[in-house]
Amino acid sequence: DVKVTQSSRYLVKRTGEKVFLECVQDMDHENMFWYRQDPGLGLRLIYFSYDVKMKEKGDIPEGYSVSREKKERFSLILESASTNQTSMYLCASSLTLLEQYFGPGTRLTVT
Amino acid sequence: KQEVTQIPAALSVPEGENLVLNCSFTDSAIYNLQWFRQDPGKGLTSLLLIQSSQREQTSGRLNASLDKSSGRSTLYIAASQPGDSATYLCAANRPPQFYFGTGTSLTVIP
Repeated sequence: DVKVTQSSRYLVKRTGEKVFLECVQDMDHENMFWYRQDPGLGLRLIYFSYDVKMKEKGDIPEGYSVSREKKERFSLILESASTNQTSMYLCASSLTLLEQYFGPGTRLTVT
Repeated sequence: KQEVTQIPAALSVPEGENLVLNCSFTDSAIYNLQWFRQDPGKGLTSLLLIQSSQREQTSGRLNASLDKSSGRSTLYIAASQPGDSATYLCAANRPPQFYFGTGTSLTVIP
């Protein structure tokens, strides 16, 4: 079974802090994704990566950056957290870009 | 841009009923359709994947169908149980993108 893990289930940060969300997959998948999920808006793609050091912007990349130094790890960075970035963050991985496997999610609160 | 709609947004049924969840998409040029389950505060668990050449997939009490020409997929749950209570999301796939619906929140009443 594919296993996708995320570093924290719950995180509380202050406005202006730099925040790192980590995602690790154990199935040697090339492709990894970061989404945020908000009530009524569904899942929105922030960034995805199709190989080490390669990344593509999704629908809402503003205020975020990503890092992929190793194939199994994809990090989402909030350079200066703001209250409107309070959300559920979901990481996913995919081998063929035909199906996705998700991690347990990180509920981030920015106060 | 692909838009995926799931109606109804919420559904409540008594235990034991058979039920159908709907997913519609505007662009029929998709590869696959994937159904997920999400429990409150958790990530998405993949339930069924209907690949491009298939019309349906079954797993236990779940059966998903896909009609690309009409832009519709359905998830059929037989003999519903309280443990089926969750939000169900569908995702239409056109590589590299996945387009998600906002989900149907299902409550099965004992």
